[in-house]
Amino acid sequence: SAVISQKPSRDICQRGTSLTIQCQVDSQVTMMFWYRQQPGQSLTLIATANQGSEATYESGFVIDKFPISRPNLTFSTLTVSNMSPEDSSIYLCSARTGAANYGYTFGSGTRLTVV
Amino acid sequence: GENVEQHPSTLSVQEGDSAVIKCTYSDSASNYFPWYKQELGKRPQLIIDIRSNVGEKKDQRIAVTLNKTAKHFSLHITETQPEDSAVYFCAASKGGNKLVFGAGTILRVKS
Repeated sequence: SAVISQKPSRDICQRGTSLTIQCQVDSQVTMMFWYRQQPGQSLTLIATANQGSEATYESGFVIDKFPISRPNLTFSTLTVSNMSPEDSSIYLCSARTGAANYGYTFGSGTRLTVV
Repeated sequence: GENVEQHPSTLSVQEGDSAVIKCTYSDSASNYFPWYKQELGKRPQLIIDIRSNVGEKKDQRIAVTLNKTAKHFSLHITETQPEDSAVYFCAASKGGNKLVFGAGTILRVKS
């Protein structure tokens, strides 16, 4: 299956600043997904990123707070803007990397702490 | 939209016993149901999945069953081992789009 490289793996940021997380897939994928996983919780979808179109955001998430780029079929970025301590979480990217069986693969995650 | 409920939230079993985790989904159009294992500090790893045209799938000690009529699916782990201890998530997807996850089950295998 495909491999997704995600960086940074962790960061500690000051409130009010922004952090951009990058994900690189080793094969072309149509859709990429960005999730947030708060400590001890499940994965919550932030948005779906398609190449060549604007990302589709889930309820409770807005583009101004979580702008996403998808410049090509192997790369995407998520920016967490104007951060507050409530944004402290793990952020994961994912892609559907198995055409036949819908297999979804995850990046290694970014552990964000906002102080 | 799709809603996935998962039970139990925690499960403790003795090594060698079986473990069963159950999920229900709300959208009858969902057609893909994966199970992920997540160890502490690691990314979720796909352990088994099933599509809606299949009722059961098995891979060594792990099996998944799907009841489309009742809209529920279950993960079965036999002969549990300490290394099976982790958080397990079920998920559902429609047409290869976004995955909606259950709340997760903490499985502890006691040796």
